[in-house]
Amino acid sequence: KQEVTQIPAALSVPEGENLVLNCSFTDSAIYNLQWFRQDPGKGLTSLLLIQSSQREQTSGRLNASLDKSSGRSTLYIAASQPGDSATYLCAVRGSNSGYALNFGKGTSLLVTP
Amino acid sequence: SQTIHQWPATLVQPVGSPLSLECTVEGTSNPNLYWYRQAAGRGLQLLFYSVGIGQISSEVPQNLSASRPQDRQFILSSKKLLLSDSGFYLCAWRFGGYEQYFGPGTRLTVT
Repeated sequence: KQEVTQIPAALSVPEGENLVLNCSFTDSAIYNLQWFRQDPGKGLTSLLLIQSSQREQTSGRLNASLDKSSGRSTLYIAASQPGDSATYLCAVRGSNSGYALNFGKGTSLLVTP
Repeated sequence: SQTIHQWPATLVQPVGSPLSLECTVEGTSNPNLYWYRQAAGRGLQLLFYSVGIGQISSEVPQNLSASRPQDRQFILSSKKLLLSDSGFYLCAWRFGGYEQYFGPGTRLTVT
C-alpha cells in the first residue's frame, strides 16, 4: 500500500525566505504527483502536477521536483509571502482505485510579516 | 470551464441520524468522481470512487454509502451517523487529463 509522508509537519518562516517542503512515497510505481494548497476550512487548490516521466514543474514562484526512483518530491517556494500561509499537501496517483490520489498529511506553513 | 459544487457547506447532526451530502460537476461529461474524508490529525482518505453512472467502488468498510444517479452527480449517504463520521468531506473529479479537482467541501460534525 502506498504511504506518503510529508516533512516537516509545520514550518514558520519570515517573509522573503526561500523554503523547501518535502514529500516521500513508498511505491515508486506512480503515474503522477500533485501538490495542493489548502486554506483553513476550504477545499484543495491544485498547484502543480508532475507526470512520472518529468523531473520538475514550475509555476510562478513555485517549483516542484520529482525523483521517482528514490520516492521523493520537493516543493520549492521562492521569496515567501504572508499570503503563502496555508497547508500544502502532496499526493501521488497510482494505477488502482480508479486512479485516486494517496495523500500525505501535509505541511502547515506560516509566513510571518 | 468546469465547476464542482458541494452542499451543504456545514452540517451538524446527532448520532444515529441520516446523512446526505451532494456533489455536482458542471462543464464535463463522464468524469471519474471521488469522495474523500479529512479527519482531524489525519490525511485525506479515499472513501468511494465512481467511473460511471451506477458504478461505485468502496475503499474503506464503514457505515457510509455512495450513489451516482446521474453522470455528474455524486451522493454520499448514511442511514445512522456515528461520532467517528465527523470530518471534512471533499468531492473531486477527474476526466481525461491527469489532474484532480476538488470541491469546496462539507464540514460535518456529529454530536
